[in-house]
Amino acid sequence: EVQLVESGGGLVQPGGSLRLSCAASGFTVSSNYMSWVRQAPGKGLEWVSVIYSGGSTYYADSVKGRFTISRDNSKNTLYLQMNSLRAEDTAVYYCARDLGVGDGYNRPYYYYGMDVWGQGTTVTVSS
Amino acid sequence: EIVLTQSPGTLSLSPGERATLSCRASQSVSSSYLAWYQQKPGQAPRLLIYGASSRATGIPDRFSGSGSGTDFTLTISRLEPEDFAVYYCQQYGSSPPKWTFGQGTKVEIK
Repeated sequence: EVQLVESGGGLVQPGGSLRLSCAASGFTVSSNYMSWVRQAPGKGLEWVSVIYSGGSTYYADSVKGRFTISRDNSKNTLYLQMNSLRAEDTAVYYCARDLGVGDGYNRPYYYYGMDVWGQGTTVTVSS
Repeated sequence: EIVLTQSPGTLSLSPGERATLSCRASQSVSSSYLAWYQQKPGQAPRLLIYGASSRATGIPDRFSGSGSGTDFTLTISRLEPEDFAVYYCQQYGSSPPKWTFGQGTKVEIK
């Protein structure tokens, strides 16, 4: 079964750090484009970051310089390292497989959407 | 930066009725990179449509997508009780790579 399971959320003080994990099963993280998407309480979806299969990484302006996306191929797991956290980072964080066909270094030639999502992990930034 | 504006914000309809949701982009976007998602309370989003008009695996054919350029539409031909949810459009930009979501349309029971 194709599945994503997030973990690592919790309560953290402003300025603190947290690392989220997203364990995949049924497919290989390193062969896919993988994204993090967040949703603040009562709000809509906001894309956070992506890692391409070729290793390139991209970030939303709101988290650039503070968050780092990475993966551990041996564990088939995606990560989001979040530093210098702010109250506005409070949200449910989802990892998702960005299904596409491409060379892994550029936008996919064919894009099939975020077809697999985790259940989400909650991050609360508060003193 | 491309902005996606969804309308209406809330759609109040009865089961069996037709729902038409709009997603308008601030500038032309490629249909190949336009997707729609459904989200129910407490759940992760679910992919419905990709490439503006292709249904994702397992999505009933009462869901259909259309449009091009700056105007896209998600249509639910006959609402089932399980279709009452929030719907988001999404586009994938390339320079730099960035995903943008619309603010969502809530389809509620009238």
